[in-house]
Amino acid sequence: DADVTQTPRNRITKTGKRIMLECSQTKGHDRMYWYRQDPGLGLRLIYYSFDVKDINKGEISDGYSVSRQAQAKFSLSLESAIPNQTALYFCATSSSGGLSYNEQFFGPGTRLTVL
Amino acid sequence: GESVGLHLPTLSVQEGDNSIINCAYSNSASDYFIWYKQESGKGPQFIIDIRSNMDKRQGQRVTVLLNKTVKHLSLQIAATQPGDSAVYFCAERDRGSTLGRLYFGRGTQLTVWP
Repeated sequence: DADVTQTPRNRITKTGKRIMLECSQTKGHDRMYWYRQDPGLGLRLIYYSFDVKDINKGEISDGYSVSRQAQAKFSLSLESAIPNQTALYFCATSSSGGLSYNEQFFGPGTRLTVL
Repeated sequence: GESVGLHLPTLSVQEGDNSIINCAYSNSASDYFIWYKQESGKGPQFIIDIRSNMDKRQGQRVTVLLNKTVKHLSLQIAATQPGDSAVYFCAERDRGSTLGRLYFGRGTQLTVWP
């Protein structure tokens, strides 16, 4: 079984709809991240969580919110989706401490299309 | 603004040749530089990292070189194989970031021809 799973893998929705992307991990990691990937722009950090009680904004948090329901679960919500949120979304995890930050484990991604 | 970038968006090499993927950075406060590989349809995967006080680090078929004078990072892949075809991202970790935030570059698409 995959260590980091994302659901759904693909989603097409309409402008104005509320969307939730979910991420679960079995690695036992404290840290979880949500990234957005657009062609030619690399990966941009949306939100990250140090632990269950810690949520931090990343580079592009506007229009998004997150919830860390448990150590293993981190969900990303688009309260009112807009077309420029069409992108590939990745969840990632990492262990805490020292060099462990450098190796983030990514899920398979969710391709979101907002019409 | 974005501090991590790449010189070339695409690179094509023949199987068996060596590949060199380049990356420029501007944040002198970064304490680690990291390379990730993303195969088609998958999430990025860690390859290798290098601490800012090092010039070179070798892994299995890969070598990372860091030139702090010109703020340049490169990933060398020896005897490139078809399975190396992927997008390669460099990333940097800010020394001041206690949460291990990484800043990714835009990526280089490596294509390996038979």
